[in-house]
Amino acid sequence: EAGVAQSPRYKIIEKRQSVAFWCNPISGHATLYWYQQILGQGPKLLIQFQNNGVVDDSQLPKDRFSAERLKGVDSTLKIQPAKLEDSAVYLCASSLLSGGHNTGELFFGEGSRLTVL
Amino acid sequence: KQEVTQIPAALSVPEGENLVLNCSFTDSAIYNLQWFRQDPGKGLTSLLLIQSSQREQTSGRLNASLDKSSGRSTLYIAASQPGDSATYLCAVEDAGKSTFGDGTTLTVKP
Repeated sequence: EAGVAQSPRYKIIEKRQSVAFWCNPISGHATLYWYQQILGQGPKLLIQFQNNGVVDDSQLPKDRFSAERLKGVDSTLKIQPAKLEDSAVYLCASSLLSGGHNTGELFFGEGSRLTVL
Repeated sequence: KQEVTQIPAALSVPEGENLVLNCSFTDSAIYNLQWFRQDPGKGLTSLLLIQSSQREQTSGRLNASLDKSSGRSTLYIAASQPGDSATYLCAVEDAGKSTFGDGTTLTVKP
């Protein structure tokens, strides 16, 4: 079974530029998550989708970050304009279950490492 | 607001030693707890998932326990090997949202 796919693995940009990350979850997984992981810390949830609807985006900096999940499958996360503090690893995860309470086991991709200069 | 703490932040042990990693959480109304392993520059790999109704889960040399009432989980690693060196993170799920600890970085010395 193919895992969660993410691209690109690495991206270096200058501040105020834009960047987009792509994620393809495990086939059949209803719930998709984007996390931000700063070096030395645990992942912090940015946005959670169930199918193609947003369940939780309370921690997403909406003035610069946006995300979409078209057709309930793959997803893109965009940052525009980027700031120095956005340097982090952006992790995509998916889980099989939906329903809001117990979404079950999380499966992660390899992550996209962003460096903002 | 759920808070998850993992102490110590780093641990170094000689090969062959049995060890315990700790995870504590503030709100006991969780649905499940999951332990992950993260190698440098990589994503998170799921190790064990414990549902709220369970007390423990085992996989090979790993055993995870859950005590909801005290807000604690432990990950026991038997007969540690250098290949076990990684960062271990726990995450608790409540109301469909997972909250992560900052992890414990384990180094197993040959």
